[in-house]
Amino acid sequence: DTEVTQTPKHLVMGMTNKKSLKCEQHMGHRAMYWYKQKAKKPPELMFVYSYEKLSINESVPSRFSPECPNSSLLNLHLHALQPEDSALYLCASSQTQGVPYGYTFGSGTRLTVV
Amino acid sequence: EDQVTQSPEALRLQEGESSSLNCSYTVSGLRGLFWYRQDPGKGPEFLFTLYSAGEEKEKERLKATLTKKESFLHITAPKPEDSATYLCAVQGIFGNEKLTFGTGTRLTIIP
Repeated sequence: DTEVTQTPKHLVMGMTNKKSLKCEQHMGHRAMYWYKQKAKKPPELMFVYSYEKLSINESVPSRFSPECPNSSLLNLHLHALQPEDSALYLCASSQTQGVPYGYTFGSGTRLTVV
Repeated sequence: EDQVTQSPEALRLQEGESSSLNCSYTVSGLRGLFWYRQDPGKGPEFLFTLYSAGEEKEKERLKATLTKKESFLHITAPKPEDSATYLCAVQGIFGNEKLTFGTGTRLTIIP
């Protein structure tokens, strides 16, 4: 299995809703990431988990809350989002520190906040 | 702070017309430079990792090269299915696992 699976593929939520994005990989990777990508822009790093511990938080607002329940799963909990948070949310994984291998990205969740 | 600049922003080629995409970078110690392909609404698809100046890698019609300041993605005799955005990213030795991406080159191959 050489894939990163993200669910749901599309999500529309109101500004008062609580929702979660899910990411799963079974490649034995020990680093997992959340990226945010706006249209025609490069991906921007939000969070890094290494060995299931949060190692990087790129000053992301607290309305985004990551969780890594185990080495295969990564969640992103969403609460009280703003319309400007609408974007493609990408999950990725990689073998951890040492020789830099390429990240494997999922297909993303297209989030629309109304 | 690591920086990546890609050019051109957009490129239109006729089918079979070879060209190159440029990625200039500044990083405090390069751990790796990555090329990705991204189709609209999809996640980036990994193409290559380059680790040191002088290194080259090939995959079908694509060839990536690396110098101390830039990388080139050469596309030979492209086909319409090569149309996509090509992203370059670097990982520095001080950035933990962080990748810094360029803004990409939108490549369109006209049949």
